[in-house]
Amino acid sequence: EVQLVESGGGLVQPGRSLRLSCAASGFNFEDYAMHWVRQAPGKGLEWVSGISSNSATIDYADSVKGRFTISRDNAKNSLYVQMNSLRVEDTAWYYCIKGRSVVIIDAFDIWGPGTLVTVSP
Amino acid sequence: DIQMTQSPSSLSASVGDRVTITCRASQGISTYLAWYQQRPGKVPRLLIYAASTLQSGVPSRFGGSGSGTEFTLTVSSLQPQDVATYYCQEYNSDPLTFGGGTKVELK
Repeated sequence: EVQLVESGGGLVQPGRSLRLSCAASGFNFEDYAMHWVRQAPGKGLEWVSGISSNSATIDYADSVKGRFTISRDNAKNSLYVQMNSLRVEDTAWYYCIKGRSVVIIDAFDIWGPGTLVTVSP
Repeated sequence: DIQMTQSPSSLSASVGDRVTITCRASQGISTYLAWYQQRPGKVPRLLIYAASTLQSGVPSRFGGSGSGTEFTLTVSSLQPQDVATYYCQEYNSDPLTFGGGTKVELK
């Protein structure tokens, strides 16, 4: 069974850092691009960042560029995002997502259950 | 960046009704468009990619069409389990962008 499980969410103060992890199983992790998408409570979906299968291509939404860093470890079937200088507006559910192919520019076919990040004084 | 505009933002329909949701892109994206369904309290799931290709396991009452800048998601006969918010997403170029969502409720 294809599965993605996020961890690392929680309550953090503005300006602090948090690292989210995603453990993948049930598919050849190294063959697919991976992404983080977030959803503020009661709001719509926002793509945050994506990384190609071999980490050669990485991109970010303007809202997180310079503050967030995505990475992956294909040997550990894991995806990460390091979130620095967190802001109140970063409060959201963060979903780990499998892309349909090796490249970032594709649809998302598997979503994890999400982990909640709350940024509050 | 490409802007994706969905309409309507919400709709109410009866079981068995045909439901149509529109998604417009601010510039041409060929058929690089996906549709997702998010049921209340659940995680989004992929319904359609490449504008009209049904993802495995998705009921055939869902259909997608369009190319360029205008796209449509159609539910041929609305069922109670179709109550959800539907999002379109372009993957023509990065940053990847979603539409604002269309909430579908039962009348």
